[in-house]
Amino acid sequence: AQSVTQLDSQVPVFEEAPVELRCNYSSSVSVYLFWYVQYPNQGLQLLLKYLSGSTLVKGINGFEAEFNKSQTSFHLRKPSVHISDTAEYFCAVSNQGGKLIFGQGTELSVKP
Amino acid sequence: GAVVSQHPSRVICKSGTSVKIECRSLDFQATTMFWYRQFPKQSLMLMATSNEGSKATYEQGVEKDKFLINHASLTLSTLTVTSAHPEDSSFYICSATLKETGLMNTEAFFGQGTRLTVV
Repeated sequence: AQSVTQLDSQVPVFEEAPVELRCNYSSSVSVYLFWYVQYPNQGLQLLLKYLSGSTLVKGINGFEAEFNKSQTSFHLRKPSVHISDTAEYFCAVSNQGGKLIFGQGTELSVKP
Repeated sequence: GAVVSQHPSRVICKSGTSVKIECRSLDFQATTMFWYRQFPKQSLMLMATSNEGSKATYEQGVEKDKFLINHASLTLSTLTVTSAHPEDSSFYICSATLKETGLMNTEAFFGQGTRLTVV
């Protein structure tokens, strides 16, 4: 069985500061990893994904994530956040087939 | 990119009535669609997997007779909440998968979600 753990439920940060949102997963098979962002009362928007190849993945809005197989982690980072980055972020894992298992979510709150 | 449209975005219904939510892939064919449910301040929980032309596969604990899923075409899946009760009030989100060239896995594209309130 697969599972995803997002270690921080809330992350407050000041504008222009760096941020890291942590994600660990467990799976007995090869996985594909995703980060999604959700704004209030909206669906999910894909930030980035790891399917294969380079372990450092760059996504939209200046976000990037690094796949670390030995630590079973896929942490999301941004060197300088903006107020507009305030949202809920979900890490997800999938095997072949597209079914996603989501983490509990991390609420990123960017303060001026 | 691939676009998934979900309708309606908000619906209020009386207890005991049924509500239908549509999920359409606008510019691609989706052989598989997924339905999720999200309670406030919580994560998305997969309800069922919908494959075109076949019966949906429900996750453990999801009542198939209450949440009817139909995937009649490659661009449309519907979720009907039957005999809705206040505890069914939630945010329902669908996703559709698009096969990527050379890869077995598929990336999921999400609809905007439907806020269901049962009064």
